[in-house]
Amino acid sequence: KAGVTQTPRYLIKTRGQQVTLSCSPISGHRSVSWYQQTPGQGLQFLFEYFSETQRNKGNFPGRFSGRQFSNSRSEMNVSTLELGDSALYLCASSLGAKEDEQYFGPGTRLTVT
Amino acid sequence: AQSVTQLDSQVPVFEEAPVELRCNYSSSVSVYLFWYVQYPNQGLQLLLKYLSGSTLVKGINGFEAEFNKSQTSFHLRKPSVHISDTAEYFCAVSERGQAGTALIFGKGTTLSVSS
Repeated sequence: KAGVTQTPRYLIKTRGQQVTLSCSPISGHRSVSWYQQTPGQGLQFLFEYFSETQRNKGNFPGRFSGRQFSNSRSEMNVSTLELGDSALYLCASSLGAKEDEQYFGPGTRLTVT
Repeated sequence: AQSVTQLDSQVPVFEEAPVELRCNYSSSVSVYLFWYVQYPNQGLQLLLKYLSGSTLVKGINGFEAEFNKSQTSFHLRKPSVHISDTAEYFCAVSERGQAGTALIFGKGTTLSVSS
């Protein structure tokens, strides 16, 4: 079956702009989680959506938001971009139980200049 | 609050040698434990997980890990590594009583296998 896809794969934005990243989960998966990966902070949990509802949220400012559609596809939005938002953004999908394997996409590399 | 410490940021080894990547976690409640691998320019792939039961867990690609509750550790081992095992390895925990599937990751260990 097709894996988790993320678009775009690479993105360059200017400080102050906003950006939207997209994640298409594996068919049948209802949970989508987002993570930020940076060399300094490592992998940090942003938020999780399950059946169109945000189920959990990490410690990120309100500039980071997301949503999930009825087909389980998810988008993540970052407003008023800062240089420190440059990172690899990964999404992961699963059936939704904590014990279930999470399948990660290849990520979107965001560079803020 | 949970935290995960991967004790070695880089581990260089020769091909066919054994390797152990160390992971300690801190949590006041029961957790699930995971090891993921990340190859260059790719997402993460699950190697193995501990949910309950036997403390020795076997995963893909010949890796195994042992859960030690008293030492709050979950070290990853492989008896004989290959060049293709060169990658970044992440230990992660998930708190059992908390809703959702959020994972807390360690900072990662870079495994470099040379011939």
